[in-house]
Amino acid sequence: ETVMTQSSATLSVSPGERATLSCRASQYVTSDLAWYQQKPGQAPRLLIYGASTRATGIPARFSGSGSGTDFTLTITSLQSEDFAVYYCQQYNNWPLTFGQGTRLEIK
Amino acid sequence: QVLLVQSGAEVKKPGASVKVSCKASGYILSDYYIHWVRQAPGQGLEWVGRINPDSGRTDYAQKFQDRVTMTRDRSISTAYMELSSLRSDDTAVYYCARHLVAQKEYFDYWGQGTLVTVSS
Repeated sequence: ETVMTQSSATLSVSPGERATLSCRASQYVTSDLAWYQQKPGQAPRLLIYGASTRATGIPARFSGSGSGTDFTLTITSLQSEDFAVYYCQQYNNWPLTFGQGTRLEIK
Repeated sequence: QVLLVQSGAEVKKPGASVKVSCKASGYILSDYYIHWVRQAPGQGLEWVGRINPDSGRTDYAQKFQDRVTMTRDRSISTAYMELSSLRSDDTAVYYCARHLVAQKEYFDYWGQGTLVTVSS
């Protein structure tokens, strides 16, 4: 199966700053990569699909990039509501797999 | 609006089975697969399998192949996931989520989750 590795378990960033989260696939996944945000006690929320397309209603401060095996989620001008756990998910290879998550915390 | 509403929390003994439901509304059921994803306490997300609500065809992750059954009742727009031979490490929140049949498998709407606790 395709193993998704998120390089940081925790990332500490100050409000207003930029956060850069990374995700690497063990196999080529083209651009079949999604990002989700999860807050405590809530279901994940789709942020990005196709590696770089924002889902409906997602603010422009969220952007995704990459293709193949290396992907990045960038959040500019961090707001208080952005501090959460972020997961990447590949859907190019079977079975579908997720990264282990990166917790974005307030510095 | 689109809603996926799941059944309530369950407590089961090891070796028992659990059946979780996911009622869809606000969209045409047959246009979307229903997937099940689980999350153990403090852990990440793990894909369990999917069902095509129109045909009833299922696909399961190999890890769960022998223990999971996904079904649906189109008349009440509800999908079900049954997991048997429960073990303590099956303790998790189980989510249903949907993806558009005509598109690739990312999930735009999720249910609220159902906590399944396996304990003697």
